[in-house]
Amino acid sequence: ETGVTQTPRHLVMGMTNKKSLKCEQHLGHNAMYWYKQSAKKPLELMFVYSLEERVENNSVPSRFSPECPNSSHLFLHLHTLQPEDSALYLCASSQEGGFNYGYTFGSGTRLTVV
Amino acid sequence: TQLLEQSPQFLSIQEGENLTVYCNSSSVFSSLQWYRQEPGEGPVLLVTVVTGGEVKKLKRLTFQFGDARKDSSLHITAAQPGDTGLYLCAGVFSNYQLIWGAGTKLIIKP
Repeated sequence: ETGVTQTPRHLVMGMTNKKSLKCEQHLGHNAMYWYKQSAKKPLELMFVYSLEERVENNSVPSRFSPECPNSSHLFLHLHTLQPEDSALYLCASSQEGGFNYGYTFGSGTRLTVV
Repeated sequence: TQLLEQSPQFLSIQEGENLTVYCNSSSVFSSLQWYRQEPGEGPVLLVTVVTGGEVKKLKRLTFQFGDARKDSSLHITAAQPGDTGLYLCAGVFSNYQLIWGAGTKLIIKP
């Protein structure tokens, strides 16, 4: 596998469920990100990890909990979500902060909360 | 609040036509990145422009960074159906600090 891989591609969950999204990068990058993408809105940065340390948390509700066990893997744990959390969740990686070479994104997880 | 406005939001044209997409802000950026996102996939980086007034060409795509580094444009010549997608711009302030436009959805009809 190359690039950034996200699983699952699609997820439907009830508001009382607990689920996790997984991201793996095979690029040797040292920073990883979670983004939320909703229709007709700019990408919303949720979490940034650099060298496995959280760099930024953009006031994301506590029902979203990230985990970065090593520089290649990133998880987003979900619990008691709301219908408005339905969106495409994208994982990305970069070398350092992406200033020079940009971000490499995964294909995303399409999340539907019912 | 820092904003990056993209226009138009939606564009549907015939194959062979030319088009321009704009990305505007009141903020000054260190660089600006353009991405294309196809349905069911994540965004893919097309280009990074760094210097005010810089022009970069990628086959039929021409990217320009404004002299004041507050705006950018993407011009596509003789559009092809394969150019269909969501075009996103991202203004970069520094490492980890950037803002995104809402995107231009482009459809090229055969």
